[in-house]
Amino acid sequence: DTAVSQTPKYLVTQMGNDKSIKCEQNLGHDTMYWYKQDSKKFLKIMFSYNNKELIINETVPNRFSPKSPDKAHLNLHINSLELGDSAVYFCASSQGLAGRETQYFGPGTRLLVL
Amino acid sequence: KNQVEQSPQSLIILEGKNCTLQCNYTVSPFSNLRWYKQDTGRGPVSLTIMTFSENTKSNGRYTATLDADTKQSSLHITASQLSDSASYICVVSAGGSYIPTFGRGTSLIVHP
Repeated sequence: DTAVSQTPKYLVTQMGNDKSIKCEQNLGHDTMYWYKQDSKKFLKIMFSYNNKELIINETVPNRFSPKSPDKAHLNLHINSLELGDSAVYFCASSQGLAGRETQYFGPGTRLLVL
Repeated sequence: KNQVEQSPQSLIILEGKNCTLQCNYTVSPFSNLRWYKQDTGRGPVSLTIMTFSENTKSNGRYTATLDADTKQSSLHITASQLSDSASYICVVSAGGSYIPTFGRGTSLIVHP
């Protein structure tokens, strides 16, 4: 009965590989997000989708490509992984835009690039 | 440039004591301000959200205040418990784009 779930929880991979992180929410929300939290615990928004449409795309390398097959899912694919991509990636959802509505976060995916 | 600054960076208090965390921001135009609690190894959980017209909001032992004129907010925790040990993050969203700007958080440790 988890509200926002992410898989995998841990991901260890070699530099140069391509990997995907999946996110699902069962709250019926229409907006989903990806955040990156660096080693200093600083959270930064990467992408936001509203009704499967991309509405926020912050300064993120184009190696990162989000995909929203439906309102309940937002996946993140990363090409050619680099050491600096090591971080915790959080998925979140809200009913309506982030600025006005409460966001619910997933448990995070800890990515380590070797 | 939109920024959110939090202080102190870390805080250690004894169980049962009160504490206050500070947040200053330069986000403009202002839409709303939120406080999140993030336990170690978990995602942030929303505590309070305040818009321009609100100057205080409570959630149990947590009380947030907002002074939109001075662009400051505080989070007051009453009668702290061991489970309050966490990082507390201030987030301010800009009007129009609604892009949230996160502070770096205050790490709170409550000792028995």
